[in-house]
Amino acid sequence: QSALTQPVSVSGSLGQSITIPCSGTSSAPGTYTFVSWYQHHPGKAPKVIFYEDSKRPSGVSDRFAASKSGNTASLTISGLQAEDEADYYCCSWAGSNTWVFGGGTRLTVL
Amino acid sequence: EEQLVESGGGWVQPGGSLRLSCVVSGFTLSEYWIHWVRQAPGKGPEWVSRINNDGSSIAYADSVKGRFTTSRDNAKSILYLQMNSLRGEDTAVYYCTRDRNNYMDVWGKGTSVTVSS
Repeated sequence: QSALTQPVSVSGSLGQSITIPCSGTSSAPGTYTFVSWYQHHPGKAPKVIFYEDSKRPSGVSDRFAASKSGNTASLTISGLQAEDEADYYCCSWAGSNTWVFGGGTRLTVL
Repeated sequence: EEQLVESGGGWVQPGGSLRLSCVVSGFTLSEYWIHWVRQAPGKGPEWVSRINNDGSSIAYADSVKGRFTTSRDNAKSILYLQMNSLRGEDTAVYYCTRDRNNYMDVWGKGTSVTVSS
């Protein structure tokens, strides 16, 4: 499976909302593959912010929301804050014991 | 605190070898599958390998199959990624991360590998 497709960059002003799409998440017939999302501040360990399409781990702000429809998953961040500035990656199982990531989206908070 | 700490990265010439280590703490390694993921400069992450609890099942990305070998020593709480026949395109930060079936829940900070002459 090819890498999932994400925009290279998105930006938003403090307090605004942004959405990052992740396309190419379709599953083979008869199967379902979940999408997870990761936040990565350069130099730090990546952090899972959503798993199984839309489940938020404890400790992740409810300003973050995720969904999936068809072959596109989406991550929405509302009430943008300076600390949200980071790289965001989607990921899904690609079958045959392999995994695939998106190319990543750099979020800039203006 | 559950942690994974990678080490062993560095500079190596094309065709050379490196062995990366991933030491875990705060949880019992034998209870979890572990992945290796890498990120080349300016690119998104790339899944590299996955090893099951006891090391009896290991999967590799096509890009590293036959050159990289993943192993683990649960008693010592450590995993290894042996990388042979390294190429320029293997230049990346390498992360180990814990598997939770449908996602990866704990990550290390990574170790940098540079393959260059």
